[in-house]
Amino acid sequence: DARVTQTPRHKVTEMGQEVTMRCQPILGHNTVFWYRQTMMQGLELLAYFRNRAPLDDSGMPKDRFSAEMPDATLATLKIQPSEPRDSAVYFCASGDLRGLQSAYEQYFGPGTRLTVT
Amino acid sequence: QKEVEQNSGPLSVPEGAIASLNCTYSDRGSQSFFWYRQYSGKSPELIMFIYSNGDKEDGRFTAQLNKASQYVSLLIRDSQPSDSATYLCAVLSGSARQLTFGSGTQLTVLP
Repeated sequence: DARVTQTPRHKVTEMGQEVTMRCQPILGHNTVFWYRQTMMQGLELLAYFRNRAPLDDSGMPKDRFSAEMPDATLATLKIQPSEPRDSAVYFCASGDLRGLQSAYEQYFGPGTRLTVT
Repeated sequence: QKEVEQNSGPLSVPEGAIASLNCTYSDRGSQSFFWYRQYSGKSPELIMFIYSNGDKEDGRFTAQLNKASQYVSLLIRDSQPSDSATYLCAVLSGSARQLTFGSGTQLTVLP
């Protein structure tokens, strides 16, 4: 059955290292979202793409985070350099957003649990 | 004021009871409203959405929307222990065209 996949599922790294998270959206979905979830802040939108074009990345710390969508089947979120405060679960979600209200349903991947020591 | 507010709970109800989860939002231009369920350690899962004032029923779940009061709720009838999870309210604002999530309400259904 169709689902969003994310890799890796878990990542432990040292402060200062580069981290790359990958997402494969549901085939045919035209919008991809990156979220970060922590106990303190809850679920925060970092960036999203429609038809591979970045629409909004205002939630993302620009100095260290970058998001790209090199093709329709792959979205990436990169942190360089990573810091302990980046420790969180990072979710990718996809949806088939075509301007209709019903199309704002988003389907989440399993997440990447990142720990920066 | 947060854009989307939920009672953080925890909310405990006995098995078989009705669980009522509430959410208020600040943007009057908000158009669409979503309820996600998130089990511990898992990703959010869409369970209901509602766009029009009134009630929308799906099995044991009923979403209620009152745009004048900027209020949306989720009722779970005949609650089961398997309903124990955190329930996230999400709102599509008129201007931002993206979902804003509440902090979630943790529900525990006691056997």
